[in-house]
Amino acid sequence: KNEVEQSPQNLTAQEGEFITINCSYSVGISALHWLQQHPGGGIVSLFMLSSGKKKHGRLIATINIQEKHSSLHITASHPRDSAVYICAVRGNEETSGSRLTFGEGTQLTVNP
Amino acid sequence: SQTIHQWPATLVQPVGSPLSLECTVEGTSNPNLYWYRQAAGRGLQLLFYSVGIGQISSEVPQNLSASRPQDRQFILSSKKLLLSDSGFYLCAWSGTAGNTIYFGEGSWLTVV
Repeated sequence: KNEVEQSPQNLTAQEGEFITINCSYSVGISALHWLQQHPGGGIVSLFMLSSGKKKHGRLIATINIQEKHSSLHITASHPRDSAVYICAVRGNEETSGSRLTFGEGTQLTVNP
Repeated sequence: SQTIHQWPATLVQPVGSPLSLECTVEGTSNPNLYWYRQAAGRGLQLLFYSVGIGQISSEVPQNLSASRPQDRQFILSSKKLLLSDSGFYLCAWSGTAGNTIYFGEGSWLTVV
């Protein structure tokens, strides 16, 4: 079992739909990252969370430390949101130090 | 502002040839540096990370090596490439405080 599990692996939506991508992890963490990878391969960091909720534009990320679960939501989705979304966790002192462990990614396609 | 560059962006190398991918960071000092590989259809895999000059930790045994000759320079090398080394290689850096992570543009390697 991977330390970081994402679901779904693939997601197709119509423009305007509300989208949720889930991430579960099994290790102790100090922070969780949501990353976006575009078809060209470039990766940008969307959020870094250690608790609660963060919002940036149409993107919302939440984390529940007790349940070891995080979600990334996209409101009013648009075709330009099409990308691979990756969850990554940063271990704490007791686990893997400052290294990141990545989920396999969720391929999101938003159709016009 | 901080920037990260890696090169070359793409390369095609024959089996058994050497490899050198270079990554440099600007605008920060003493960053944590990382090399990741993403094989086709797979998630990101941490290859090496470094918390300082000459300090390299390897995550997976393989025919690749990494070096950090200067504070903001990270090099991924191989003496003899294998077909299985093909993939997308990403350099990344984060601050020592464990804040967000920044990725380079990536390098597409095809071993033929």
